[in-house]
Amino acid sequence: GQQVMQIPQYQHVQEGEDFTTYCNSSTTLSNIQWYKQRPGGHPVFLIQLVKSGEVKKQKRLTFQFGEAKKNSSLHITATQTTDVGTYFCAGRSGGSYIPTFGRGTSLIVHP
Amino acid sequence: DAGITQSPRHKVTETGTPVTLRCHQTENHRYMYWYRQDPGHGLRLIHYSYGVKDTDKGEVSDGYSVSRSKTEDFLLTLESATSSQTSVYFCAISDGGVLVRGIDEQFFGPGTRLTVL
Repeated sequence: GQQVMQIPQYQHVQEGEDFTTYCNSSTTLSNIQWYKQRPGGHPVFLIQLVKSGEVKKQKRLTFQFGEAKKNSSLHITATQTTDVGTYFCAGRSGGSYIPTFGRGTSLIVHP
Repeated sequence: DAGITQSPRHKVTETGTPVTLRCHQTENHRYMYWYRQDPGHGLRLIHYSYGVKDTDKGEVSDGYSVSRSKTEDFLLTLESATSSQTSVYFCAISDGGVLVRGIDEQFFGPGTRLTVL
């Protein structure tokens, strides 16, 4: 079945440093979504990417979808303590509406 | 936040006892999902529903059953709880909007923390 690998599992940064998490799929994806889960909270949808090579920005967050639609990344510029949480990617392939979630990357920001 | 509630929010039970978790939505969304979240494993799909009385298995369905008799309610049952089922359980919903809006995000409930002793 489809697998979505996400790295790293954890990332410690000093406040102000940049952060990147990567997702790789074993199959070509029709779209990929990103979610954020604050400590003790539930996952919240951030964005969806559909097109090959697509890049979208949300303030300090930049999301990319690879040309082959098998990988994606989330980059945060100048992290803040409010960025703390776990970031998940979720990919859909073929005609399935069921996404496969990556294991998530937990971001820890040290002030 | 989307109108999703889960009950109970916390439960401690003993091995071998049956447990039912409830997910209730007020959004009239077609699709509903049950996930479990464990450290190092992310979100793993247990079962999902694509309509009333229409359900299917996810990747970790063994030991779990589900029922959906109404659009708004999706029940997850552990027939005989085991310690390996200690986890945080999330319900999620989506409206299948990918065909209309080109996007189909999932909205998650607040979660249920289940401990099986």
